[in-house]
Amino acid sequence: ETGVTQTPRHLVMGMTNKKSLKCEQHLGHNAMYWYKQSAKKPLELMFVYNFKEQTENNSVPSRFSPECPNSSHLFLHLHTLQPEDSALYLCASSPTPAGTGRTNQPQHFGDGTRLSIL
Amino acid sequence: LAKTTQPISMDSYEGQEVNITCSHNNIATNDYITWYQQFPSQGPRFIIQGYKTKVTNEVASLFIPADRKSSTLSLPRVSLSDTAVYYCLVVAGGYQKVTFGTGTKLQVIP
Repeated sequence: ETGVTQTPRHLVMGMTNKKSLKCEQHLGHNAMYWYKQSAKKPLELMFVYNFKEQTENNSVPSRFSPECPNSSHLFLHLHTLQPEDSALYLCASSPTPAGTGRTNQPQHFGDGTRLSIL
Repeated sequence: LAKTTQPISMDSYEGQEVNITCSHNNIATNDYITWYQQFPSQGPRFIIQGYKTKVTNEVASLFIPADRKSSTLSLPRVSLSDTAVYYCLVVAGGYQKVTFGTGTKLQVIP
């Protein structure tokens, strides 16, 4: 149990479908992240949110639309995805936003959503 | 962002001590060295973090020489359950845009 819960754990969808991934953290953190992990590739940072505000968009295609209604919840809305978008999508949270704090605050990851695009 | 280099894979027998070394030649003054562990179909888990010399916790030790251009993660007496990918990251204090490399795939053999 990491304190970061992602649902669903597995998702299969067609390229024309619209679906959403959900992430919830109960750690009192105020920063949340989306990562993509494709087979045999390193984790890629997609988005960063601090206090519900998006502070980083790592050149992610617009077919991925994040939403952060509060510091505990993060969504990734998906539409018109491509087969190459099949991957493990990981959510993470951390206690300290960018620019503050003396040490680097480790990120706490959920176990991801395994997404398959047909 | 400081680039890190670590072995792609390592094998070890159960009960042995495993040392995984990471090179980070262009580490900056305010960078911290952080190690994560990832099991298949799970998210990475924080193991240990350090700035200089030695850090030890209940899971591992981290050795950092004075020039900080490398670091060594030491796992004492590994078991089969330590089979995982281990990532070395170098990140500035308070900075959020962390970069994961390909990591070191550790296989523990009975």
